[in-house]
Amino acid sequence: AQTVTQSQPEMSVQEAETVTLSCTYDTSENNYYLFWYKQPPSRQMILVIRQEAYKQQNATENRFSVNFQKAAKSFSLKISDSQLGDTAMYFCAFMKEYSGYALNFGKGTSLLVTP
Amino acid sequence: EPEVTQTPSHQVTQMGQEVILRCVPISNHLYFYWYRQILGQKVEFLVSFYNNEISEKSEIFDDQFSVERPDGSNFTLKIRSTKLEDSAMYFCASSETASMGQETQYFGPGTRLLVL
Repeated sequence: AQTVTQSQPEMSVQEAETVTLSCTYDTSENNYYLFWYKQPPSRQMILVIRQEAYKQQNATENRFSVNFQKAAKSFSLKISDSQLGDTAMYFCAFMKEYSGYALNFGKGTSLLVTP
Repeated sequence: EPEVTQTPSHQVTQMGQEVILRCVPISNHLYFYWYRQILGQKVEFLVSFYNNEISEKSEIFDDQFSVERPDGSNFTLKIRSTKLEDSAMYFCASSETASMGQETQYFGPGTRLLVL
């Protein structure tokens, strides 16, 4: 079974600064997908960014980027120019191919952006 | 922008009662999912559904749970006899397919279920 570990239960960053959230996972699969989802106080799960394991290039979406290290099984999220609206719970998730496509989530990191 | 919708947003029920949670996935999506999140805990996979049958289910998804796509738009989760521990936020999600590049799951806003 795959496990996803987010070692930082809570983090805080000042507005306009950069913060990195860590995620590691354990799998024997070679092909899989990784995701970061954001859950603001409204509780809706919103996709932030995704990465295919076969791609060496790190995914980027505006202020959000990942550092994907396949050998180390690490998938960290960097948020640049943090904004107050980035305050949320961030979940790292793993999906393997060809098995029902269940997302396996980590326990989450609560990020607080302060003025 | 198309989105997944869920009804009701909140549901309160008595232990032992049946509940049906409803979801309308994004219209061109073919894969559907249910997840739950007990307060303060991580999101947990319940079931995935494709082509009118279950693709995968977790250990949580026991005989008390069932899913159905009764028509071309709705996707439902039924809990036959609710227990206190079923109290949670239930999220529906859908994806276009499961092919590479189209596997991203889009989540609805959730239904908060409280079992008394």
